[in-house]
Amino acid sequence: QQQVKQSPQSLIVQKGGISIINCAYENTAFDYFPWYQQFPGKGPALLIAIRPDVSEKKEGRFTISFNKSAKQFSLHIMDSQPGDSATYFCAASRNTGNQFYFGTGTSLTVIP
Amino acid sequence: DAGVTQSPTHLIKTRGQQVTLRCSPKSGHDTVSWYQQALGQGPQFIFQYYEEEERQRGNFPDRFSGHQFPNYSSELNVNALLLGDSALYLCASSLALLGGTQYFGPGTRLLVL
Repeated sequence: QQQVKQSPQSLIVQKGGISIINCAYENTAFDYFPWYQQFPGKGPALLIAIRPDVSEKKEGRFTISFNKSAKQFSLHIMDSQPGDSATYFCAASRNTGNQFYFGTGTSLTVIP
Repeated sequence: DAGVTQSPTHLIKTRGQQVTLRCSPKSGHDTVSWYQQALGQGPQFIFQYYEEEERQRGNFPDRFSGHQFPNYSSELNVNALLLGDSALYLCASSLALLGGTQYFGPGTRLLVL
């Protein structure tokens, strides 16, 4: 059973546009929600993370929006750049140190 | 400051063989988690080691075993390899005391023929 559901599977965005990736979870015990960026042949790199006590967190061009009641969270990439082209994974866990449950990934392509 | 390192980077084995993968955590980290990432999928948790003990385990058979050494480095062993074990094996390290998040290494690409 997939603990975290991610959509879309793939996304194509024009340079300068906004990329939006969505995730949903079922386990209300989850209290840590990171996003990872992965380039081909590399390991996932932590992008940004949020806890359920806040509804939004912004770091540079990356923003996480969190809806606790809907059990959904999303990643917004503002002013998308070709260098952002990668696969993005959302994840969830019961505190930061426990096992992460990953979504299935979103392949983002930013067209120049 | 060295991040998480893994060796080897690539490995080719045949069915039935055994393999050992190695991981050195980020400096200052004491907890190591292992994940399997099949092609086109998200990472799946295998197990986690802290204080040289397996602390958590995902839904993987006993063919998958591990070890953590006093210097916090870790090994993942897989016995009786199957074709389906072909994947990218990722190691992630964290600091248990501060509830630190997990940082991933570059992975070891295992191909089972």
